[in-house]
Amino acid sequence: GENVEQHPSTLSVQEGDSAVIKCTYSDSASNYFPWYKQELGKRPQLIIDIRSNVGEKKDQRIAVTLNKTAKHFSLHITETQPEDSAVYFCAASRNYQLIWGAGTKLIIKP
Amino acid sequence: NAGVTQTPKFQVLKTGQSMTLQCAQDMNHEYMSWYRQDPGMGLRLIHYSVGAGITDQGEVPNGYNVSRSTTEDFPLRLLSAAPSQTSVYFCASSKGGDEQFFGPGTRLTVL
Repeated sequence: GENVEQHPSTLSVQEGDSAVIKCTYSDSASNYFPWYKQELGKRPQLIIDIRSNVGEKKDQRIAVTLNKTAKHFSLHITETQPEDSAVYFCAASRNYQLIWGAGTKLIIKP
Repeated sequence: NAGVTQTPKFQVLKTGQSMTLQCAQDMNHEYMSWYRQDPGMGLRLIHYSVGAGITDQGEVPNGYNVSRSTTEDFPLRLLSAAPSQTSVYFCASSKGGDEQFFGPGTRLTVL
């Protein structure tokens, strides 16, 4: 079955700097790759997603890149702000089954 | 729209007890799923459904049952609770397997 690995587990960046979180997946048939943000005690919420027929997608300060050959995808957050502090999860999906990475705790230092 | 609702918010059970976690959505989504989230881990898929009358197992189905008699409701049943089932449970729904909308979660403790 699918396996998703996510790195790093914790990322601390200075406010205004960029943050990059990386994920790898094992099932080459996976075709949908979402990123979710979860604040403490709250439910996960989608921030950006990408399909396997696209290499890059951007939404304001957030971008996702996908390398199908290497089976890895990354989340890029530019100009980080205090409200970006949260746990971020990547996931990979095939046939409706979302398999999740273990999460990255992003800390924004003032 | 209320979105995805879950009840109860909190629950404490004794080992061996059974209970049902309720999940409902009012967005007419075909796809619904149940996840558990343990500290320091991502969400793990328990069971999912692609429509009324259709359910399938996810990564960690043992000890749990589901049914989908209507599009709106997708209850999760714990047959005989064990301490290893202490977790936060999330229900989610989506239109076609894309963006999943999550409920607020149920925090379950099994003593």
